[in-house]
Amino acid sequence: GAVVSQHPSWVICKSGTSVKIECRSLDFQATTMFWYRQFPKQSLMLMATSNEGSKATYEQGVEKDKFLINHASLTLSTLTVTSAHPEDSSFYICSAFGLAGDPWETQYFGPGTRLLVL
Amino acid sequence: AQTVTQSQPEMSVQEAETVTLSCTYDTSESNYYLFWYKQPPSRQMILVIRQEAYKQQNATENRFSVNFQKAAKSFSLKISDSQLGDTAMYFCAFMKAGANSKLTFGKGITLSVRP
Repeated sequence: GAVVSQHPSWVICKSGTSVKIECRSLDFQATTMFWYRQFPKQSLMLMATSNEGSKATYEQGVEKDKFLINHASLTLSTLTVTSAHPEDSSFYICSAFGLAGDPWETQYFGPGTRLLVL
Repeated sequence: AQTVTQSQPEMSVQEAETVTLSCTYDTSESNYYLFWYKQPPSRQMILVIRQEAYKQQNATENRFSVNFQKAAKSFSLKISDSQLGDTAMYFCAFMKAGANSKLTFGKGITLSVRP
């Protein structure tokens, strides 16, 4: 149990285009999901907290107009990188907060999405 | 605010040996959880072990165990009988108890298991 999926796993896009990344909790409901960014050999950097049915909460320094987050249901959150530029190239990871999994009150992570902007 | 410190950037261990990864944290919270996550080369974050702060007993999961010293704010991970598949980056993390809380991560440590 407590499986989180992400799609796509790998995306290449041209500079100026938008890219949407989906995060799904497959076997549990998640009222809260989190979006992280990670550079090679570094720790995870929290970008935003996504709450079902309400606006996302962004961490300081994260451009909310550039990284649009929508948490449309209890099992799906999306991150859209708008007008992507090469500096947005990174590894994006989502997690879902499980209250019914084992163990509970734990974040479960998706497999990540590699974004390359040319 | 909480902080998590992993001061060793890299470690290496011989297969079948035991290795301990260090982690210290700082918080004023009284009710919280501590985690170790593993990130292998695939980059999938995998939960290794979880410790509730109110529990005095150290958590164990098969070959993985922790030494939780609450007063010292220390939370080390011991891996016994190391296997090649344990090669990964390991992150120590703190989370305040309560629904939908954020994780605070340490910088991580890269563990290499030598054959």
